[in-house]
Amino acid sequence: DIVLTQSPVLAVSLGQRATISCRASQSVSISSINLMHWYQQKPGQQPKLLIYRASNLASGIPARFSGSGSGTDFTLTIDPVQADDIAAYYCQQSRESNTFGAGTKLELK
Amino acid sequence: EVQILETGGGLVKPGGSLRLSCATSGFNFNDYFMNWVRQAPGKGLEWVAQIRNKNYNYATYYAESLEGRVTISRDDSKSSVYLQVSSLRAEDTAIYYCTRRTRSSEFDYWGQGVMVTVSS
Repeated sequence: DIVLTQSPVLAVSLGQRATISCRASQSVSISSINLMHWYQQKPGQQPKLLIYRASNLASGIPARFSGSGSGTDFTLTIDPVQADDIAAYYCQQSRESNTFGAGTKLELK
Repeated sequence: EVQILETGGGLVKPGGSLRLSCATSGFNFNDYFMNWVRQAPGKGLEWVAQIRNKNYNYATYYAESLEGRVTISRDDSKSSVYLQVSSLRAEDTAIYYCTRRTRSSEFDYWGQGVMVTVSS
């Protein structure tokens, strides 16, 4: 199984940049296609797709969210962070079956 | 508008079984692979199962941790997908989400989820 590793918590100030990382135990890329996706989940709500295939913004998602990376290392960036962005963020790979990272909880400093 | 609604959750005794249903609307169900993802209280997301569409012979895939205890199925005429879980254990207690997989392999729409509690 491909294991995805995320830092449990990231503390950030409003208006600053948040960089959330996800490292895969093996490559999740096929040729130039990076099969890594990002979701946001607020308490009591279902997950919401933010970024698909590493760098593509999902429909209706604000441009302050962006994604990058390839191979085994991926990043979700929120710039600038707004109060509404306080949530848990999960990466998910679809290269081999499907696995999620354990999630990064974005907190206010 | 895409809508996904899960039903069938509840309190089940250890060793029991449960069938979850997921009714969808607002898109051509036949075109999509459908999945179940679960989340134990206070924990992260865990993919459970996938069923592909008719073009892929309704192939099914399961998380290794659950294989043998879960069965995913679909009824294209009802735009619905189902998850049968048997030999339930306390660690199966979770919110179970139904989700649509796109052609680029992400999960773009999720239901509100249904709670399953396994307890005596």
